[in-house]
Amino acid sequence: EVVMTQSPATLSVSPGERAALSCRASQSIGSNLAWYQQKPGQAPRLLIYGASTRATGVPARFSGSGSGTEFTLTISSLQSEDFAVYYCQQYKNWSFGPGTKVDLK
Amino acid sequence: EVQLVESGGAVVQPGGSLRLSCAASGFTFDDYSMHWVRQAPGKGLEWVALVAWDGRSTYSADSVKGRFSISRDNSKNSLYLQMNTLTTEDTALYFCARDMWGPLDFWGQGTMVSVSS
Repeated sequence: EVVMTQSPATLSVSPGERAALSCRASQSIGSNLAWYQQKPGQAPRLLIYGASTRATGVPARFSGSGSGTEFTLTISSLQSEDFAVYYCQQYKNWSFGPGTKVDLK
Repeated sequence: EVQLVESGGAVVQPGGSLRLSCAASGFTFDDYSMHWVRQAPGKGLEWVALVAWDGRSTYSADSVKGRFSISRDNSKNSLYLQMNTLTTEDTALYFCARDMWGPLDFWGQGTMVSVSS
């Protein structure tokens, strides 16, 4: 079973700042990783798949990198609508990480 | 427009059963595998189960194996989750989601299941 971990649990950022969220897999998953954004009361939204490919309609300020066991989601210049919880998911056997909450500093 | 609409959530007693449904529209349903994902109140996402496009292959999380069963009816563009022997740990918002050959690209808004005496 692949176990996903994310850090930090909470990231406090000011608008316009850069945010880097980390995701780690307990074993190599290649590039089989997705990132999702979830806002309160909403369903998750796919942001990144294949570790680095933006989903349709996702702004260019979101980027993903990494392979194997270490992955990063970077938001280059945080906008007010980006405050949310972000989950990584590996799709070898579909487990999610515990999430990183990005909130206002 | 892709739409996924879950239904069937309810309050049920421990040990009880429930069947969730997900009605799909706006895409060719039998081209895609489908998932159930759940989220306990105030908690993170937990993958529950997957059914292949033709319904012949299914996979489920260890936490629900032997109690939950995922299925689909392609003639009705519908996905199902039969949940038996429910416990308080199963209390959650249950989402259905479309599998884009790996990542989950469209999600419904969820249906709430509360297990309580």
